[in-house]
Amino acid sequence: QAVVTQEPSLTVSPGGTVTLTCGSSTGAVTSGHYAYWFQQKPGQAPRTLIYDTSDKHSWTPARFSGSLLGGKAALTLSGAQPEDEADYYCLLSYSGGRVFGGGTKLTVL
Amino acid sequence: QVQLQQWGAGLLKPSETLSLMCAVSGGSVNGHFWSWIRQPPGKGLEWIGEIHHAGSINFNPSLKSRVAISVDTSKKQFSLKLTSVTAADTALYYCARSRPFDYWGQGTLVTVSS
Repeated sequence: QAVVTQEPSLTVSPGGTVTLTCGSSTGAVTSGHYAYWFQQKPGQAPRTLIYDTSDKHSWTPARFSGSLLGGKAALTLSGAQPEDEADYYCLLSYSGGRVFGGGTKLTVL
Repeated sequence: QVQLQQWGAGLLKPSETLSLMCAVSGGSVNGHFWSWIRQPPGKGLEWIGEIHHAGSINFNPSLKSRVAISVDTSKKQFSLKLTSVTAADTALYYCARSRPFDYWGQGTLVTVSS
């Protein structure tokens, strides 16, 4: 089974920009992995921010964007807000299954 | 507005079978994959498996030997069974609509303890 890797923790200043990445042990992440990005705050269910690498849901704040960057899936937050402090998980799709990354704890400080 | 309502036993003994149900309202089960995901206390998310309304199923290889997922399109429900549970299966279990994972159940805490 593939292993999906994320930064364990990142810190961003309010108003700043940060990029979270999601790598695959099988090689470069491509559009064929249909990368998802989820935000989870304490005590809440995960909420999907990005699907299919870069598509947004109606509820996704405009400051979040998804892309492929350097062989990885990436979630960029531009103009961080205090309410963006949360855990972020990526999910990659493979032939016959899906695998979550270990999550990134994002601190806005 | 699609809503997922899940339920099932919250306390199990080791070796018992976990059984959870998820009901879909406000939409059809047809045309979608439906997933089960779990999160042990204080840990990350783990994808368990998914089923398509037509019966196609995908599993997490690490759980495949113990997992069964089924769907009842007439009742608009899908289910998860996990056999031979241990303390390591203690987690918050979620159902969700796969692709694009836009709708989630409220979560069911399942504790395995003797």
